[in-house]
Amino acid sequence: GAVVSQHPSRVICKSGTSVKIECRSLDFQATTMFWYRQFPKKSLMLMATSNEGSKATYEQGVEKDKFLINHASLTLSTLTVTSAHPEDSSFYICSASPRARGANEKLFFGSGTQLSVL
Amino acid sequence: DQQVKQNSPSLSVQEGRISILNCDYTNSMFDYFLWYKKYPAEGPTFLISISSIKDKNEDGRFTVFLNKSAKHLSLHIVPSQPGDSAVYFCAARDYAGGTSYGKLTFGQGTILTVHP
Repeated sequence: GAVVSQHPSRVICKSGTSVKIECRSLDFQATTMFWYRQFPKKSLMLMATSNEGSKATYEQGVEKDKFLINHASLTLSTLTVTSAHPEDSSFYICSASPRARGANEKLFFGSGTQLSVL
Repeated sequence: DQQVKQNSPSLSVQEGRISILNCDYTNSMFDYFLWYKKYPAEGPTFLISISSIKDKNEDGRFTVFLNKSAKHLSLHIVPSQPGDSAVYFCAARDYAGGTSYGKLTFGQGTILTVHP
């Protein structure tokens, strides 16, 4: 099956620093990737849709200057949490779907990144 | 506005019995529904899905039922095994064309515990 790799799996940083999270589709091309966020015991909330070669589309309430998304190639999207603060501590997960429309129902997820901001 | 709801935060079942996880939705534009299984500190893994034009889909021990008129779906696991213990998320897709095919709305999740 398709594999989505996410790195790092865990990061602890000081308040005010920036953190970059990478999401790679290993065996398929993804024109679109998705970034989700999950708070403890809560649902996964879509933050933004990352589009290869164009600007990301952010969901309502998500600060685009805070969460920078870059989708430079068909296999890589990055999420940078800028000037991180303790309230940004959360579990971030990326997902992607193979370019072929027929496979879109099986959205594949990365393993997630647990961000802890001290 | 929670468009996908899983009203039971947890479910405990004896090994070998049936597990039934429920999910309700409000958006009539949802055209595809999926169930994901998730372990702590891991990403969700796809389990089973169903198109809005069907009312049942079966894959081994897992069966998903869709009742469009009630805007309700359920996941049946039979027989349940201890390895099924995880958080189960119901998700729905609102197909608006273009790149939105991957945009999913998730329920809050149900923690399933299967006791030996």
